[in-house]
Amino acid sequence: KAGVTQTPRYLIKTRGQQVTLSCSPISGHRSVSWYQQTPGQGLQFLFEYFSETQRNKGNFPGRFSGRQFSNSRSEMNVSTLELGDSALYLCASSLGSAGDSPLHFGNGTRLTVT
Amino acid sequence: GESVGLHLPTLSVQEGDNSIINCAYSNSASDYFIWYKQESGKGPQFIIDIRSNMDKRQGQRVTVLLNKTVKHLSLQIAATQPGDSAVYFCAESRKAAGNKLTFGGGTRVLVKP
Repeated sequence: KAGVTQTPRYLIKTRGQQVTLSCSPISGHRSVSWYQQTPGQGLQFLFEYFSETQRNKGNFPGRFSGRQFSNSRSEMNVSTLELGDSALYLCASSLGSAGDSPLHFGNGTRLTVT
Repeated sequence: GESVGLHLPTLSVQEGDNSIINCAYSNSASDYFIWYKQESGKGPQFIIDIRSNMDKRQGQRVTVLLNKTVKHLSLQIAATQPGDSAVYFCAESRKAAGNKLTFGGGTRVLVKP
């Protein structure tokens, strides 16, 4: 079974631009979560989607948004990029909720903002 | 605020020895705990999980212990191998929070040959 797939693997953008990252979950998984990983802040939760609905949201500004499609694939968008948005963005999928099944992560998209 | 943390940022272990990675959590409402391993250039890889109604769970070469009294979690790796060199994260969640995981800061494990 294929794992979580994230595209692209690397992105370089300029301040003020916007970016869209894509995630394909493991087949059959309906929950998709997004995390930001930086050396300073570690792994931080962005948001979770389940059956096309945002189920939970972390403490990030409104510039960070996401959506999930009917096939469970998900995208996240960051608008008006800032230098501090440089990070590894990780997508994870699971069958259900925490405690029912673990999250499985992709290898991430490395975003560099210059 | 609520947090999950690790006591040791770096752990050096001789190949063949056992490793113990510790993690403290502060939210007594946490009811699900997971350990992840992250190698360079890759995303976190699921190792083992445990629910709050258990205090021990074993996998292949790994054991997770949960002490709810002192809010402490540990991961034991038996017969550590060079391939175990990585950063290990503990994470916690509460059923009410869906799949929102709170991660610890990570511990780097270096296996010496």
